[in-house]
Amino acid sequence: DTAVSQTPKYLVTQMGNDKSIKCEQNLGHDTMYWYKQDSKKFLKIMFSYNNKELIINETVPNRFSPKSPDKAHLNLHINSLELGDSAVYFCASSPFRLAGPKNIQYFGAGTRLSVL
Amino acid sequence: GQQLNQSPQSMFIQEGEDVSMNCTSSSIFNTWLWYKQEPGEGPVLLIALYKAGELTSNGRLTAQFGITRKDSFLNISASIPSDVGIYFCAGQRSSYKLIFGSGTRLLVRP
Repeated sequence: DTAVSQTPKYLVTQMGNDKSIKCEQNLGHDTMYWYKQDSKKFLKIMFSYNNKELIINETVPNRFSPKSPDKAHLNLHINSLELGDSAVYFCASSPFRLAGPKNIQYFGAGTRLSVL
Repeated sequence: GQQLNQSPQSMFIQEGEDVSMNCTSSSIFNTWLWYKQEPGEGPVLLIALYKAGELTSNGRLTAQFGITRKDSFLNISASIPSDVGIYFCAGQRSSYKLIFGSGTRLLVRP
């Protein structure tokens, strides 16, 4: 069973379109995250939710809107896609909110978004 | 945003060789983590370090949390072809936010 699963794995779309990426975790974790990995492989956090509550919102364009219908799901909606949005987007989850032993983040396999 | 300085950027080594990579920061962290990412996959945790000076092993991998809390290193002994991938360090303070290094790309020649 996949612990953190993202769909779709690949997404190719035109500039200006709106798209969504879905994430689900079956680990019973309270906290979920979205990361963006650019072409140089640099990983940067975008958002984090704890029990459906937004707790991290980095400097991300407001075209990106996360939504957490329940603590096992965290979706990412992107409006008016731009060329610079092309990247790999990773979802992750961890047991709870605060750092410390055993609060490890587990990553999904990523969604490769290509904006043409 | 803050980045961790990770080096080397890439390594191309012969199977059987030992590998060493490190991460430094201008500020302290309470936790250091090492992840490995293989092509088409997400990062997978290798080793987690929670105390300054801590030295932890996971099979052929050994990592240390620097005494100053501003650095960490990862060693891989007797490398094998399946060690190929990108290795990331990550630092964490009291919050849950991970700050990642820029990655070390490892290639192993059989």
